[in-house]
Amino acid sequence: GAGVSQSPSNKVTEKGKDVELRCDPISGHTALYWYRQSLGQGLEFLIYFQGNSAPDKSGLPSDRFSAERTGGSVSTLTIQRTQQEDSAVYLCASSLGFLGSGDTQYFGPGTRLTVL
Amino acid sequence: QKEVEQDPGPLSVPEGAIVSLNCTYSNSAFQYFMWYRQYSRKGPELLMYTYSSGNKEDGRFTAQVDKSSKYISLFIRDSQPSDSATYLCAMSAVPAGNKLTFGGGTRVLVKP
Repeated sequence: GAGVSQSPSNKVTEKGKDVELRCDPISGHTALYWYRQSLGQGLEFLIYFQGNSAPDKSGLPSDRFSAERTGGSVSTLTIQRTQQEDSAVYLCASSLGFLGSGDTQYFGPGTRLTVL
Repeated sequence: QKEVEQDPGPLSVPEGAIVSLNCTYSNSAFQYFMWYRQYSRKGPELLMYTYSSGNKEDGRFTAQVDKSSKYISLFIRDSQPSDSATYLCAMSAVPAGNKLTFGGGTRVLVKP
């Protein structure tokens, strides 16, 4: 079946602009994660959604970052007033979300964000 | 100091050699350990998933976990040029539904 999809694949924006990144998880997956991958920092957790529970926002680096998940499926990560240090690859992952061993996170191809 | 340390490489080996990768970590709460492979401009894909200490084998891949030393390893036997990628270790304290903490990744190049 279809994997996790993300759009756009590349985004170039000017400093100070807002951007929206989209993630379509695998159908039936109740858990959705956003990570950021940048040079020198590796892969960092940003936010996690599980069903109808309140999201775990503990990894968001500042209040310029927010995310929502509508209808338990598609998620949008929004970065307001972008800064050059926001340049990175933003990766989305989804999983079945069951509370047992072996709940695998499947990653999308990422959105490469460049802030000029 | 990062919670998970991984040598960035690059690690260059001839085709057919054994590739040896490892990570060290500081958080004793980590119980679940994963290895992901990431090709250039692609998302990570899961290779191995292990719980607690011990070994796990899957085809050419063997994962080892030594919780007493806070050290995990991945071995790739009979390496192929198609194994050239970045390998990321990842860990979590719970089995599911939580953030993964990643190492920085090791770039591997298998030369034909």
